[in-house]
Amino acid sequence: DVKVTQSSRYLVKRTGEKVFLECVQDMDHENMFWYRQDPGLGLRLIYFSYDVKMKEKGDIPEGYSVSREKKERFSLILESASTNQTSMYLCASSSPDRESYGYTFGSGTRLTVV
Amino acid sequence: AQSVSQHNHHVILSEAASLELGCNYSYGGTVNLFWYVQYPGQHLQLLLKYFSGDPLVKGIKGFEAEFIKSKFSFNLRKPSVQWSDTAEYFCAVNAIGTGGFKTIFGAGTRLFVKA
Repeated sequence: DVKVTQSSRYLVKRTGEKVFLECVQDMDHENMFWYRQDPGLGLRLIYFSYDVKMKEKGDIPEGYSVSREKKERFSLILESASTNQTSMYLCASSSPDRESYGYTFGSGTRLTVV
Repeated sequence: AQSVSQHNHHVILSEAASLELGCNYSYGGTVNLFWYVQYPGQHLQLLLKYFSGDPLVKGIKGFEAEFIKSKFSFNLRKPSVQWSDTAEYFCAVNAIGTGGFKTIFGAGTRLFVKA
């Protein structure tokens, strides 16, 4: 089974801090994604990457950046955390030649910014 | 732009009741369709998917969904729910030919099954 591992389950950070969320997948998937999940809003795409060092903005990239130095690792960076970034962050991966197979998600990181 | 609508945000059922969760999407091209489920405290997992062939697809745990192309719908059904089906359900649509980049998720439906 594909495993997508997010480094932290819960994080509490202060306003203005730089925050790193890490995600690692073990199935050599080309595509990786960062979503945030908020009640009543579903999952909203922040950034995605289709190859090492490649990144594309999703629907809500403001206040975030990403890094993909290795195929298996996709990091989400909050440059200066704000309270409106308090959310559940989900990482996912997929293979582009198997679009119909859907995504595999990590367990999520619940970030609270105080 | 693509969008996905889930008709209900919260559904409360008694055990053994039948379930139908509505999902409509807007996209004119060919799509893959998914339902994901998130049980309390667990990660999102794939429940079932449609990509071609029989529009009635069966997933895990007795769930099924029917793709009706003319209605742009992909409703999730289960004839008799159990307490363990309490979870949040997300419909998702992926536009074929976009390399998996354009999967759009609905807002989710939270199902609570009373024991």
